[in-house]
Amino acid sequence: DIQLTQSPSSVSASVGDRVTITCRASQVITSWLAWYQQKPGKAPKLLIYSVFNLQSGVPSRFSGSGSGTDFTLTISSLQPEDFATYYCQQANSFLSFGGGTKVDIK
Amino acid sequence: EVQLVESGGGLVQPGGSLRLSCAPSGFTFRNYWMTWVRQALGKGLEWVANIKQDGSEKYYVDSVRGRFTISRDNAKNSLYLHMNSLRAEDTAVYYCARGYYHYDTWGQGTLVIVSS
Repeated sequence: DIQLTQSPSSVSASVGDRVTITCRASQVITSWLAWYQQKPGKAPKLLIYSVFNLQSGVPSRFSGSGSGTDFTLTISSLQPEDFATYYCQQANSFLSFGGGTKVDIK
Repeated sequence: EVQLVESGGGLVQPGGSLRLSCAPSGFTFRNYWMTWVRQALGKGLEWVANIKQDGSEKYYVDSVRGRFTISRDNAKNSLYLHMNSLRAEDTAVYYCARGYYHYDTWGQGTLVIVSS
């Protein structure tokens, strides 16, 4: 099974900041890597799929990149509605999620 | 509007059983893999099980294999999760989600509490 390790586990940031979240896989992932945003009491929301593809309706300040075992979600200019927890997910070998990264207000 | 609505959660004693349901709308259900994902309170997401469009393939996380059964009825537009031999560690919000490689639609979740 592939384990996904996200870092940092939490980050404090201000509106307008650039935020980068990393997801490291225990084995090589070809292309089935997605990112989700979850707000308290709500279901997760798909942001990015297949490493870098932006889901319809998601603002362009969100972007994904990476290859092999290292992947990144970047928020180019943090907005008030972006304070949430973010998860990566792989489907290269069975399915698994990273542990999450909480983005809160500095 | 594409939507998923879960039901069937509740309080159950350890060793008990429960059946969760998921009702899709706004899309052709029989064309999609479907998935159950759970989240213990205050914890991260955990993939539980998924099922192919025609029900011919089903996969489970190790911790539920042999106790949970995922099924679907395309004629009734319904997805199910039959949960037996429930344990305290199965306590979580259970979400149904659409897709295999990634999940573009999620339900609101249904809470399962396993406690005596």
